[in-house]
Amino acid sequence: AQSVTQLGSHVSVSEGALVLLRCNYSSSVPPYLFWYVQYPNQGLQLLLKYTSAATLVKGINGFEAEFKKSETSFHLTKPSAHMSDAAEYFCAVSALNTGNQFYFGTGTSLTVIP
Amino acid sequence: GAGVSQTPSNKVTEKGKYVELRCDPISGHTALYWYRQSLGQGPEFLIYFQGTGAADDSGLPNDRFFAVRPEGSVSTLKIQRTERGDSAVYLCASSLNSGGTEAFFGQGTRLTVV
Repeated sequence: AQSVTQLGSHVSVSEGALVLLRCNYSSSVPPYLFWYVQYPNQGLQLLLKYTSAATLVKGINGFEAEFKKSETSFHLTKPSAHMSDAAEYFCAVSALNTGNQFYFGTGTSLTVIP
Repeated sequence: GAGVSQTPSNKVTEKGKYVELRCDPISGHTALYWYRQSLGQGPEFLIYFQGTGAADDSGLPNDRFFAVRPEGSVSTLKIQRTERGDSAVYLCASSLNSGGTEAFFGQGTRLTVV
């Protein structure tokens, strides 16, 4: 079975500061990993995904994430936060042996302080 | 259509009533997923279709919940004898039938049971 743990349900950063949102996964087989963003009253939008190619994945809006197998982590980063980054962020895992359904973490709410 | 479409966007129903929630996936996507998202939580997996068949329905909470996808495209999530605890946002997503492809989410249906 697969699962993800997002450490920190709420993260606050100053505008222009580094954004770091943590995600650790559990999977008995090589996983596929995803980060989604959800703005208020909207659906989930894909930020980036890891599917066993390059371990450093670049996504939209300046976000990137690095797959570290030894640490079972897939943390999301952005060098400089913008006010528009304020949203809920979800890490998700899937794998072929479980039919590709996605298992989500509980989410991290990002606040950007001007 | 261009994206995943869910109808209605909002549904208010009385306790004990029957409701149907509709999902129209992206054309050509063979995989379809239903999730439930409660306030402050991540999406919770309900059921996953591959074509017309339910590949995994292990997330359905009880036998009041049922979903169909008779022609491998549109899906309907059906809830019988609704309870106040069923109130949540019900999300539908679709993806191509290959490992590691991302799921595209609809805007969700907000169900309120009063």
